Amino acid sequence: EVQLVESGGGLVKPGGSLRLSCAASGFTFSSYSMNWVRQAPGKGLEWVSFISTTSGYKYYADSVKGRFTISRDNAKNSLFLQMNSLRAEDTAVYYCAREGIVARPDQMFDYWGQGTLVTVSS
Amino acid sequence: DIQMTQSPSSLSASVGDRVTITCRASQGIRNDLGWYQQKPGKAPKRLIYAASSLHSGVPSRFSGSGSGTEFTLTISSLQPEDFATYYCLQHNTYPRTFGQGTKVEIK
Repeated sequence: EVQLVESGGGLVKPGGSLRLSCAASGFTFSSYSMNWVRQAPGKGLEWVSFISTTSGYKYYADSVKGRFTISRDNAKNSLFLQMNSLRAEDTAVYYCAREGIVARPDQMFDYWGQGTLVTVSS
Repeated sequence: DIQMTQSPSSLSASVGDRVTITCRASQGIRNDLGWYQQKPGKAPKRLIYAASSLHSGVPSRFSGSGSGTEFTLTISSLQPEDFATYYCLQHNTYPRTFGQGTKVEIK
């Protein structure tokens, strides 16, 4: 069974840092690209970042570029999001979601974690 | 960036009604689109991939259509468990972009 479990969320002051983790199981993690998606309270979904299978490609939303860094450890089946210079508008539930290869649309954003809440407030 | 314009933003419907939700892309995205259902406090769940293919385990009352810039999610006969918020997601280019969401409420 495919499982994605996020952790690392919490309360942090503006300007602070936080590192989110996503533990993957039930599939060959190293064969899938991964994404972070967030949802501010009462708002819609916003794509945050992407990382390819071997970390060769990384993309970011303009809203987090230069502040957030995505990474992965295929040996530990884990995905990370290092969040620096946090702002109130970064307050959201953060989800990890897997993404297959272009030739496999059935594997695009097919599984999501349950999310972890990040609250940025003084 | 590709903008996904989803409509309506909300709708009220009764059990048994046919419901249609539309997403328009600001430029062509072939069929690189998925539809998701989200209930309060829960992660999104995929209903449709590649614009018209049903995700495994999803009831057949859900269907998707479209290609290029115009896409539709249809629920043929609304059931009590279908009251939720629905989103489209394009994965043709980066940044990936979602529609604004459609909240389906009980009439």
